[in-house]
Amino acid sequence: GAVVSQHPSWVICKSGTSVKIECRSLDFQATTMFWYRQFPKQSLMLMATSNEGSKATYEQGVEKDKFLINHASLTLSTLTVTSAHPEDSSFYICSADNSGNTEAFFGQGTRLTVV
Amino acid sequence: RKEVEQDPGPFNVPEGATVAFNCTYSNSASQSFFWYRQDCRKEPKLLMSVYSSGNEDGRFTAQLNRASQYISLLIRDSKLSDSATYLCVVKRGNKLVFGAGTILRVKS
Repeated sequence: GAVVSQHPSWVICKSGTSVKIECRSLDFQATTMFWYRQFPKQSLMLMATSNEGSKATYEQGVEKDKFLINHASLTLSTLTVTSAHPEDSSFYICSADNSGNTEAFFGQGTRLTVV
Repeated sequence: RKEVEQDPGPFNVPEGATVAFNCTYSNSASQSFFWYRQDCRKEPKLLMSVYSSGNEDGRFTAQLNRASQYISLLIRDSKLSDSATYLCVVKRGNKLVFGAGTILRVKS
């Protein structure tokens, strides 16, 4: 199946700093990528839809100025958590659609801990 | 009310047991349906798609009832390696909506 690579797999940062997470589709072009967040014992919640060459679409309640998304190429989307706070600590996962395929392919996830 | 509801479990079963998970969804515009498996601290992985006609993949059988907006997963002859969280997922447009998952623990 298609491969989506996410980096880093885990990060610990100080409160107030920014963290960038990368999501790459390795063997296909992804015009659309999705960013999710998962808190312990909860479901994956869609944060935003990342569209190549245009602005991301954010879900209700997700601050676009705090979670900056850039999708500058067909194989790379980045999520930057700006001015991170402990409540931003979570598991962040990206996925990409391989056009014409109903299956979504997920990155390995990034566990963010803000101290 | 959540758009996709699942019994969180945990379901504790012995090896070899048959276990069934249920899921309901509230949005009738949902178009595609899936079961994903998620191991602790890992990304979800597709287990199988779900069709109205029912589909089977080895020990796993999935069923969709569109009229009742109900999805099921049956696991036969449970293995220790089946221990995981099983996520019921519906696709609406290009978005996936996840249930919170059902925890399965298979014990020897």
